[in-house]
Amino acid sequence: DGGITQSPKYLFRKEGQNVTLSCEQNLNHDAMYWYRQDPGQGLRLIYYSQIVNDFQKGDIAEGYSVSREKKESFPLTVTSAQKNPTAFYLCASSTRQGASPEYFGPGTRLTVT
Amino acid sequence: GQQVMQIPQYQHVQEGEDFTTYCNSSTTLSNIQWYKQRPGGHPVFLIQLVKSGEVKKQKRLTFQFGEAKKNSSLHITATQTTDVGTYFCAGPFGGAGSYQLTFGKGTKLSVIP
Repeated sequence: DGGITQSPKYLFRKEGQNVTLSCEQNLNHDAMYWYRQDPGQGLRLIYYSQIVNDFQKGDIAEGYSVSREKKESFPLTVTSAQKNPTAFYLCASSTRQGASPEYFGPGTRLTVT
Repeated sequence: GQQVMQIPQYQHVQEGEDFTTYCNSSTTLSNIQWYKQRPGGHPVFLIQLVKSGEVKKQKRLTFQFGEAKKNSSLHITATQTTDVGTYFCAGPFGGAGSYQLTFGKGTKLSVIP
């Protein structure tokens, strides 16, 4: 089955620690995205990548970093500089560059205490 | 700033009743997307509307893009319990070809059996 895999589903960290969220897709999609969702809110774009070795900041990139060394993988690091890291993180992809996100992964719920 | 407003925020309907959610943008959009997110799940892409005045149907769901391309609606006929979830609209505020979507806060639909 093709799709997007995010792991782990739940993640707990202590304040001050960096944490990396995994996102893998076997859909052969060029474009990948990271969104953050807070309770009762819409999705907000953190970073996006249209092609390998290239990525752009979204609306709320501060305190986050990404890499795109392989087409299939787009990991997100939540650094200790992110002031409110507890949230639901969603990875998404689309079939072509410049397209809206079409497929979402199951998400990772990060809790930082 | 650029905003996408959705109303209502919550809607409770009896099974079999119709449901409509509205999406209004502060600026003209090149296109608009609709997503559905089940409780505890991830967003699922439903449709993209591109043309002014466009109407698209998916079984009991009818999507409409306003003539001025600043508003959109999703109408569900004869709701079922499987329709439960939050419906989001999203539009690109970077102009045609932009993939930086701004999401509305969503309309949470509850269906009473």
